[in-house]
Amino acid sequence: DPKIIQKPKYLVAVTGSEKILICEQYLGHNAMYWYRQSAKKPLEFMFSYSYQKLMDNQTASSRFQPQSSKKNHLDLQITALKPDDSATYFCASSQGQGGTEVFFGKGTRLTVV
Amino acid sequence: GEQVEQLPSILRVQEGSSASINCTYENSASNYFPWYKQEPGENPKLIIDIRSNMERKQTQGLIVLLDKKAKRFSLHITDTQPGDSAMYFCAASNSGYNKLTFGKGTVLLVSP
Repeated sequence: DPKIIQKPKYLVAVTGSEKILICEQYLGHNAMYWYRQSAKKPLEFMFSYSYQKLMDNQTASSRFQPQSSKKNHLDLQITALKPDDSATYFCASSQGQGGTEVFFGKGTRLTVV
Repeated sequence: GEQVEQLPSILRVQEGSSASINCTYENSASNYFPWYKQEPGENPKLIIDIRSNMERKQTQGLIVLLDKKAKRFSLHITDTQPGDSAMYFCAASNSGYNKLTFGKGTVLLVSP
């Protein structure tokens, strides 16, 4: 019974289009994150949010925009998609911040054609 | 920032033997070092972690060692089983916001 729900599980998008990746967590955590994993790079930190506020952004491109409508939601909007954006995007969460276990969702595998 | 190097990238062992994975980090302010196991098509799952106030931690056939002077930490899996075959990632965190910097991963293959 997954406590971090990511939708969709698989996503195919056309170059130049825009997609939103959905993430909801039911662990009662106050911190949420996005990580990206591709064949070229290991698990790569993108964003961290705490109590719906952006805490850290390591994504160089403004095409990636996290959106937090509720404390347990952190969606990821990606605009002007490129083939290089193809990766598995993992949403994660933790209770508190530094030095606490980070739990990962099952991921959304995005393929940009 | 932080950089984490992880070796080896592939590790083949016989069932029942030990497996060791080593990681080094750059930022002396890093204070939290988790290890994740990831099976194909699955999400990474925490298997053990260690904080900078400890040098050694052990749980269920896993041992983690931390050498802060050398900025090195390692995972040792004792009595490996075929079910231990997976990708293993080390990570380091030095921020208050749980930003984990991951190594590139080690594919562990345990043969019967």
